[in-house]
Amino acid sequence: NAGVMQNPRHLVRRRGQEARLRCSPMKGHSHVYWYRQLPEEGLKFMVYLQKENIIDESGMPKERFSAEFPKEGPSILRIQQVVRGDSAAYFCASSPGLAGNEQFFGPGTRLTVL
Amino acid sequence: KQEVTQIPAALSVPEGENLVLNCSFTDSAIYNLQWFRQDPGKGLTSLLLIQSSQREQTSGRLNASLDKSSGRSTLYIAASQPGDSATYLCAVCNQAGTALIFGKGTTLSVSS
Repeated sequence: NAGVMQNPRHLVRRRGQEARLRCSPMKGHSHVYWYRQLPEEGLKFMVYLQKENIIDESGMPKERFSAEFPKEGPSILRIQQVVRGDSAAYFCASSPGLAGNEQFFGPGTRLTVL
Repeated sequence: KQEVTQIPAALSVPEGENLVLNCSFTDSAIYNLQWFRQDPGKGLTSLLLIQSSQREQTSGRLNASLDKSSGRSTLYIAASQPGDSATYLCAVCNQAGTALIFGKGTTLSVSS
């Protein structure tokens, strides 16, 4: 059973470009979470999604950031008009069934904004 | 607002020692608590999950306890090995079960 997959593993963007980060949950998992780890800081929750629904987006910046988890395909975290402060490691996690279950993390996408 | 604190921030021990990592949280209304391991440049590996109704969980050389009323958890590592060197993260799940709130971690170095 493959774990949580994220791609790309490394992404370089220039200021003003768009970044798209993909996450495929573990087989049988229907809940996806996104977290961000800024340099020298802890992991911060961004958003929690189930298929076709955003359940909790309390940690998402109000502008430029969006997330989706369509019926088919991976979850996408999209950052528009990236700025240097967006440089971070972005982790996706998945869990089965009900909220509050154990979360399993992917290897992360390291975004560098030049 | 829930805050999670881990002490110490860094720890160096010789191989074979037993050690305790501490985690405290400010709001006792949690769904569960999870301990993770993170190796440099890598993702997180789940070590133990303790539900809010439980007091402890064990896996191999690892034992985690939870005292929800006092807002504390400890991770006990027995007979430490160089391969245990990593950053250990404590995370509490909010009461709604929708988000993990992380501490900043304890970076452990075990020398042979």
